[in-house]
Amino acid sequence: EAGVTQFPSHSVIEKGQTVTLRCDPISGHDNLYWYRRVMGKEIKFLLHFVKESKQDESGMPNNRFLAERTGGTYSTLKVQPAELEDSGVYFCASSQDLGSAYEQYFGPGTRLTVT
Amino acid sequence: GQNIDQPTEMTATEGAIVQINCTYQTSGFNGLFWYQQHAGEAPTFLSYNVLDGLEEKGRFSSFLSRSKGYSYLLLKELQMKDSASYLCAVNGNYGQNFVFGPGTRLSVLP
Repeated sequence: EAGVTQFPSHSVIEKGQTVTLRCDPISGHDNLYWYRRVMGKEIKFLLHFVKESKQDESGMPNNRFLAERTGGTYSTLKVQPAELEDSGVYFCASSQDLGSAYEQYFGPGTRLTVT
Repeated sequence: GQNIDQPTEMTATEGAIVQINCTYQTSGFNGLFWYQQHAGEAPTFLSYNVLDGLEEKGRFSSFLSRSKGYSYLLLKELQMKDSASYLCAVNGNYGQNFVFGPGTRLSVLP
């Protein structure tokens, strides 16, 4: 079974440009999460999809970030326009509903550098 | 507020035992997870506790005390490949996101 995949693995862009990150969850997983780790800080939650619906987007830092999950399969996270403080590693995770407990499977992350 | 605390770094010797502590204060609790992360790789699941007590899984064990807001991950018979960051994460409410601690970077020395 393929794991969670993310593309690209690295992205270097200039301040003001746009970047789109992609996440392909494990097939059949309804729950998809985006997290971010900025330098020296802990991994922080951005948002959560259940199928194609946004369940919780309380962690999105501002309206420069837009996440979509059309069709309930893969998801994209667009940053427009990018700022220096957006640099970090963006992780995607997915999980299936197993009752009261479930594990989130993480992708390898996209390292974003804004210069 | 929500807060999870772990030691930043730990060092241990190959073949030894190491205990990584985690304390948490969250608005809800639906389980505590431990993940291992090697540099540049995805966090991988190690263990999960939702009830008080010890969960054993090979060389790794995890303990939880909900009344104390405390967990630890115990690694036995340390190997060089165990050098990694260990992340403590709390699921506050069913179906919702994880709150992560800062991670503990463990270095295993020969």
